[in-house]
This record gives sequence, structure tokens and C-alpha cells, in this order.
Amino acid sequence: DQQVKQNSPSLSVQEGRISILNCDYTNSMFDYFLWYKKYPAEGPTFLISISSIKDKNEDGRFTVFLNKSAKHLSLHIVPSQPGDSAVYFCAARSGGSNYKLTFGKGTLLTVNP
Amino acid sequence: EAGVVQSPRYKIIEKKQPVAFWCNPISGHNTLYWYLQNLGQGPELLIRYENEEAVDDSQLPKDRFSAERLKGVDSTLKIQPAELGDSAVYLCASSLRAGEETQYFGPGTRLLVL
Repeated sequence: DQQVKQNSPSLSVQEGRISILNCDYTNSMFDYFLWYKKYPAEGPTFLISISSIKDKNEDGRFTVFLNKSAKHLSLHIVPSQPGDSAVYFCAARSGGSNYKLTFGKGTLLTVNP
Repeated sequence: EAGVVQSPRYKIIEKKQPVAFWCNPISGHNTLYWYLQNLGQGPELLIRYENEEAVDDSQLPKDRFSAERLKGVDSTLKIQPAELGDSAVYLCASSLRAGEETQYFGPGTRLLVL
């Protein structure tokens, strides 16, 4: 049973426009949500996170929104740049002392010049 | 600041052979993780260390996989014997302490078992 789902395997966006990547989860005990970016042949790179007690976190061009009632989070990239082309993973951390990260399958973002 | 270092980056072996992966975490990071990433999937946790202690190894297939973290710094993950299904990327990550939500990943070791 997949607890973190990224239902869009890929997304294509024009440079300068907004990219919106979505993620759904089922476990209400997750206490932190993170987005990682991954280039080919590299490990995932931390991008931005949000605590379960917040509904928005912003860092430069990246904003993460959390809707706890819908168990849904999204990553907005504005404006999108060709260098943003990568696989984006949504991850959720188990609460308590577990600290386990559960990842989605990823979404391949392509930003076209 | 140096990131998480892993070696080798690539490894090709025949089935039933042993293989080992090495990880050096970010300096000062007490928590170390080993993840497995299959093609088209997200990383899945194999084992988590707090200093020298393996505090979560529930997902580690203990019949063929073993890990150690001597002196609470570097770590080694071993597979013996390797099977065809073990072909994947093995990622190491570290975080400052147990409660730190951000984990920093190394580049991974891509294993191909023939």
C-alpha cells in the first residue's frame, strides 16, 4: 500500500511559466513533508520542506502548500527554468521517534526553453 | 562543506558473488541511512544508524544483507550472495541528528547483477 503517491509520472512546462507538482498521502501521522530534486546519475537533493502544522512554506522560486484535510501537498515553481528539469520526489516523515522518510515514485519535470 | 561520499559509483557483478558499498556521511552527522532505489521508484529505507547503533533495520533482508557503522562515522553495506533482483541504486544519506527532518543524500552506487 503506497502511503505517498505522485500520480503524474511526468510534466512538461514552458520556461517562465509555473510548474505545479502534486503529491497525495494517506497516513495522517506524517509530521514533515519534503521535496527532493534528482538529476540523472546523482543522489536526491533536498529542495524544501514543510511541517504538518503549517500550510505554506516559501523559498525563492519554490513554494510548498499543504492541505491536511485533503491529505495533499503541492510544489510550485515560479518562474520555471530549464535547469529545473529533473525528477521531483515527494517524501513524508513518520512522526514520533521513527523518523522514517516515505517517498513517492517521482515526477519528471521538463522545462522547455 | 563536503557532501555524503559513496563508493564505488558503479558495480557490475555476477549473481552469487558478494559486493560491498561504502559511505562517508557529512562531517558531524550522527544519523546515517541506507536506501534502496529500484528503477521508476522512490528510495526505500533499508537501515538507519544513530552513531554506531542500528536503530531501525526492519526493512533489511537479513539473510543476505548486512551493514555496519564502526566508530559511528563510515558505514559499509554488504550483500552476500547477490541475486539478479538486487540490481538497483543503493543510496546513503545522513542527517545531523535523529530528529532532523532533512536528510542529505550521496550520489549512490548503481549495482548491476548479471
